[in-house]
Amino acid sequence: AQSVTQLGSHVSVSEGALVLLRCNYSSSVPPYLFWYVQYPNQGLQLLLKYTSAATLVKGINGFEAEFKKSETSFHLTKPSAHMSDAAEYFCAVSDLGIQGAQKLVFGQGTRLTINP
Amino acid sequence: SAVISQKPSRDICQRGTSLTIQCQVDSQVTMMFWYRQQPGQSLTLIATANQGSEATYESGFVIDKFPISRPNLTFSTLTVSNMSPEDSSIYLCSVGDRVDSPLHFGNGTRLTVT
Repeated sequence: AQSVTQLGSHVSVSEGALVLLRCNYSSSVPPYLFWYVQYPNQGLQLLLKYTSAATLVKGINGFEAEFKKSETSFHLTKPSAHMSDAAEYFCAVSDLGIQGAQKLVFGQGTRLTINP
Repeated sequence: SAVISQKPSRDICQRGTSLTIQCQVDSQVTMMFWYRQQPGQSLTLIATANQGSEATYESGFVIDKFPISRPNLTFSTLTVSNMSPEDSSIYLCSVGDRVDSPLHFGNGTRLTVT
């Protein structure tokens, strides 16, 4: 079964600094990987996805992630943090569920705090 | 992407009662999924709901506790039965059809059981 591990349950950076959120996956087949963001009292919003095309994936709000097969990683980055980036971030890997439909397996989440 | 509406957005319920959560999608979808997010934790899949068939439950979740209906391709309900404080969580509905396509989520139902 597929799984993901997010390193660091809390990350704190200064406004304008680099954001780096770490995600490592375990998969027996080429994975489909996703990053979601959850703002307070809201549902999940897709930031970006990797589906075996380009290894560097650009998402919304200036975020991007690089798929590195040799490191089984899919870390999320943003060059310059903004106060509005404060949220919970989830890495997820797609697994085959019932009747071939996808089933997402989520990491534990990383809470990102931005310091003024 | 699909627009997903969940009702209610939040509720406070007494122990022993049941709550039914509704999920409405603005387009027809084959698969609908129900997830639970316990306080401060990640998301766990409860069950997959395919229109016209019984829902399929993940390990640790049973139909008697979480009955699900899927009467058509745009609607589903999840009932949390005989609630206890341990059921206090966010319950999220999501949709997605292919393994390489992302799931889209509703805003969730925040349930508190007292």
